[in-house]
Amino acid sequence: AQKITQTQPGMFVQEKEAVTLDCTYDTSDQSYGLFWYKQPSSGEMIFLIYQGSYDEQNATEGRYSLNFQKARKSANLVISASQLGDSAMYFCAMSRSSNDYKLSFGAGTTVTVRA
Amino acid sequence: DAGVIQSPRHEVTEMGQEVTLRCKPISGHNSLFWYRQTMMRGLELLIYFNNNVPIDDSGMPEDRFSAKMPNASFSTLKIQPSEPRDSAVYFCASSWDQGGTDTQYFGPGTRLTVL
Repeated sequence: AQKITQTQPGMFVQEKEAVTLDCTYDTSDQSYGLFWYKQPSSGEMIFLIYQGSYDEQNATEGRYSLNFQKARKSANLVISASQLGDSAMYFCAMSRSSNDYKLSFGAGTTVTVRA
Repeated sequence: DAGVIQSPRHEVTEMGQEVTLRCKPISGHNSLFWYRQTMMRGLELLIYFNNNVPIDDSGMPEDRFSAKMPNASFSTLKIQPSEPRDSAVYFCASSWDQGGTDTQYFGPGTRLTVL
């Protein structure tokens, strides 16, 4: 079974600075996908970014980038130029490819952006 | 394009009552998921439908829970009778199953409180 570990329960970041959220995973599969979701205080789960295990380049989506280090089994999320609206809980998740639909979620990291 | 739509957004009911949660997936998606989120257990997959057929209901807590998907644009999750321990946020998510790693898009969730 896959396991996702997010070791930072909470983080503070100054507005306009970058923040890195850690995510490590444990799997014996060669093919898998990694996801990050954002959950603001309003409660919805918002998809941010995806990285496939065979993707050679790190995924980027606007101010979000995924620092994928396959050998270390880590998939850290980097948020650049933090904004007050980035304050939320962030979840790392993984699914196996090959018709495996199940997402395994980490415990989440709460980010608070300070003005 | 409209995202996943869930209703109601909030539900407060008394123990023993029947509760029905509704979900409209993103048009064109063929996979639908129901999740439950609690502080203690995080996000748990309850049931997964593919092409309107329940594929995996191993996460459904007990017989009090049932889910249906009568067509590609509608699904329900029913709890009968409800208990206080069912209080949680229930998410519906959908994806387009391409046989690989598919991004799941979540609805806004239904916050259920059972008194």
